[in-house]
Amino acid sequence: EDQVTQSPEALRLQEGESSSLNCSYTVSGLRGLFWYRQDPGKGPEFLFTLYSAGEEKEKERLKATLTKKESFLHITAPKPEDSATYLCAPRRGNDMRFGAGTRLTVKP
Amino acid sequence: DTGVSQDPRHKITKRGQNVTFRCDPISEHNRLYWYRQTLGQGPEFLTYFQNEAQLEKSRLLSDRFSAERPKGSFSTLEIQRTEQGDSAMYLCASSLRLAGANNEQFFGPGTRLTVL
Repeated sequence: EDQVTQSPEALRLQEGESSSLNCSYTVSGLRGLFWYRQDPGKGPEFLFTLYSAGEEKEKERLKATLTKKESFLHITAPKPEDSATYLCAPRRGNDMRFGAGTRLTVKP
Repeated sequence: DTGVSQDPRHKITKRGQNVTFRCDPISEHNRLYWYRQTLGQGPEFLTYFQNEAQLEKSRLLSDRFSAERPKGSFSTLEIQRTEQGDSAMYLCASSLRLAGANNEQFFGPGTRLTVL
């Protein structure tokens, strides 16, 4: 059965303190892994799509990487405005299977 | 067109009542998805349409739930005889299905349903 596990569940960082979020998955026939950011009370906002092991994508302070079993979201020198829940979603077929997310809080 | 819109944003209803939600996708997008999200969890896939055809439904979508996209544009999600367990955020997303494209989904703000 397909499984998606994100860790840690919650992460508190000081402004400028870099860290990484993990997404472990067992999805057969992977057709892309998606990262989204979600602010409280809002819909998820698209960040990245990764398709093959070894692929990396960057956007501002965020960098996403992909292996055959995991994806990492690296946050470099985070700012308070990076506080949000980060969701990963491997896609098999036409639907995405979301993890429960990592709730990130960045303190000034 | 600035993105996916959903209406209403909040709905409070009594158990046993029927509710209907509307989603307007990004205008050129031919795929439309419905998800349900409960507190502390990621969105769970319910169903999706390509144009007006409903192509896939999750096992989560009980027979009390029905979705339509009559003209391949906006979509409605109806829940009949609501139960307290239906309380959740209902999210709509749309994407443009093109061969070789990323096909990323863009989400609306959601409809928060509370069943008393």
